[in-house]
Amino acid sequence: DTAVSQTPKYLVTQMGNDKSIKCEQNLGHDTMYWYKQDSKKFLKIMFSYNNKELIINETVPNRFSPKSPDKAHLNLHINSLELGDSAVYFCASRPGGADYGYTFGSGTRLTVV
Amino acid sequence: AQSVSQHNHHVILSEAASLELGCNYSYGGTVNLFWYVQYPGQHLQLLLKYFSGDPLVKGIKGFEAEFIKSKFSFNLRKPSVQWSDTAEYFCAVNSNTGGFKTIFGAGTRLFVKA
Repeated sequence: DTAVSQTPKYLVTQMGNDKSIKCEQNLGHDTMYWYKQDSKKFLKIMFSYNNKELIINETVPNRFSPKSPDKAHLNLHINSLELGDSAVYFCASRPGGADYGYTFGSGTRLTVV
Repeated sequence: AQSVSQHNHHVILSEAASLELGCNYSYGGTVNLFWYVQYPGQHLQLLLKYFSGDPLVKGIKGFEAEFIKSKFSFNLRKPSVQWSDTAEYFCAVNSNTGGFKTIFGAGTRLFVKA
């Protein structure tokens, strides 16, 4: 039973399209995250939600909009996709305390053509 | 600005060699430190973490790391690597002075020759 699941695993789309990535965790964790991993494997935090409330919103274009309908789900919607959005997007979750490590999803490889 | 540095970007070792990957951070305050591993084509998995107590922490798969507060370092070690340890290794840090936002280092790609 997958702890943090993301769909889709691969996403190929044209510039200008709008797409969504879904994330669900069945661990009962309070906090969920979106990270972007670029082609050089660098991981950068994008958003964090705690119990459906946005707590971290990094300098991310407003074309990216997270939505958390409940604490087990954190979806990422991207409008007007650009070539530079191509990356692997990882969802992660963590119990409330900062001394806990993340549990990551398997990632969504987004390719914008 | 808060940052995490991994000085070795690529490391190549033969099987049975010892491994040490460097990680330094520039945070003040109380820190929580982590090492994650990403096997080819897979997601990141937690190897080990430090938040308090014994500065030498042991993780999965025979890895360990030592927190040296005076050096702002948290180096990862393994006495004898295996081919299956080929992966990307990420150091990560959060701190009460940074709002406990976890920052990742740029990663170290380890290749173990069989």
